[in-house]
Amino acid sequence: NAGVTQTPKFRVLKTGQSMTLLCAQDMNHEYMYWYRQDPGMGLRLIHYSVGEGTTAKGEVPDGYNVSRLKKQNFLLGLESAAPSQTSVYFCASRGTRKNIQYFGAGTRLSVL
Amino acid sequence: KNEVEQSPQNLTAQEGEFITINCSYSVGISALHWLQQHPGGGIVSLFMLSSGKKKHGRLIATINIQEKHSSLHITASHPRDSAVYICAVSRNTGNQFYFGTGTSLTVIP
Repeated sequence: NAGVTQTPKFRVLKTGQSMTLLCAQDMNHEYMYWYRQDPGMGLRLIHYSVGEGTTAKGEVPDGYNVSRLKKQNFLLGLESAAPSQTSVYFCASRGTRKNIQYFGAGTRLSVL
Repeated sequence: KNEVEQSPQNLTAQEGEFITINCSYSVGISALHWLQQHPGGGIVSLFMLSSGKKKHGRLIATINIQEKHSSLHITASHPRDSAVYICAVSRNTGNQFYFGTGTSLTVIP
């Protein structure tokens, strides 16, 4: 049982490049979330989804896009990366019965 | 102002010491969560509580709804307890969680 899997684990981008982070969960969870974690700050919500085909903005959505075409996958896209997007990104999922989030291992992204 | 405040930010303890980490929140919640993040590792949920007290091994979590305050206690601390402990709340409305900035705990042998 893999739980929540994030790919890639590490990435270095140049300013202006684009990339997609993939989150996959095998727990049949309805809710999925993308967070960023920066030093001295709590996890901040970028975007989330309450089900297949739905997405919603979180606290810090600018510069990011997401898609949830399949229930098990939640993609986070950076169209034109900026140094301010250097961060550790976490994906999480939760079911409708239990209000507990399950996190992926994180993706460390550096934008030069 | 953050909805969730934790203290202390950093904590160093000797092995065997009793440890307390505090969390205060300012919004109505459906539940409070304590999470653990190991260096370089992912984040795991330790407790979810909406009232009273929960215990798991050497870890105890308490919550006082009236005072909007929760504590995480570690008894007989061990170096393997070294991690960042994060407090989070889920609201009565909406689907979002709100996170504290974490408490970095180091337990010295």
